[in-house]
Amino acid sequence: DAGVIQSPRHEVTEMGQEVTLRCKPISGHNSLFWYRQTMMRGLELLIYFNNNVPIDDSGMPEDRFSAKMPNASFSTLKIQPSEPRDSAVYFCASSSRTNEKLFFGSGTQLSVL
Amino acid sequence: EDKVVQSPLSLVVHEGDTVTLNCSYEVTNFRSLLWYKQEKKAPTFLFMLTSSGIEKKSGRLSSILDKKELFSILNITATQTGDSAVYLCAVEAGAQKLVFGQGTRLTINP
Repeated sequence: DAGVIQSPRHEVTEMGQEVTLRCKPISGHNSLFWYRQTMMRGLELLIYFNNNVPIDDSGMPEDRFSAKMPNASFSTLKIQPSEPRDSAVYFCASSSRTNEKLFFGSGTQLSVL
Repeated sequence: EDKVVQSPLSLVVHEGDTVTLNCSYEVTNFRSLLWYKQEKKAPTFLFMLTSSGIEKKSGRLSSILDKKELFSILNITATQTGDSAVYLCAVEAGAQKLVFGQGTRLTINP
């Protein structure tokens, strides 16, 4: 299995632009998670899906952030409009019901100028 | 609010030393505690602990959980430069939802 696949690996954009991050979970995994990592706050859970349904989005910072999971093999995290304080590494992770270990993608390094 | 606290936040030791990393937690619906190692990019899984007092071992790494006192430790013996990384503790608080600590940045000097 290729593992959790995220794209792009790096994104540099200007304040006010829309940013879309993409994730393909491991095949057969039923849960998908979006995390954000910064030096100040560490790894923060933004939102997670179970069987494509959003279960807990209490970590989403504000209305500028939205996430979708239209099917079991694809999810997006969108920031519109982006701000410099959104600069961070965004990780997608997935897990299965039978194996609760979380498998992480390589992350997207986002820089908002 | 569910909380996971790790200490120390940063640790620098010499190759061959033994280190102990700490993780304490306060969660309303504890299911398991996990340790991850993060080198350059994605965190990679080390251990999952669900029962108190049972030590998990993998080579020079070992970990134990105390559910009464709400903490876990990760031990690394005979450290090597390749052990340099950020070590993350996470607690499963609810179905498959992990809450992470801030991490301990471990640096092993030759």
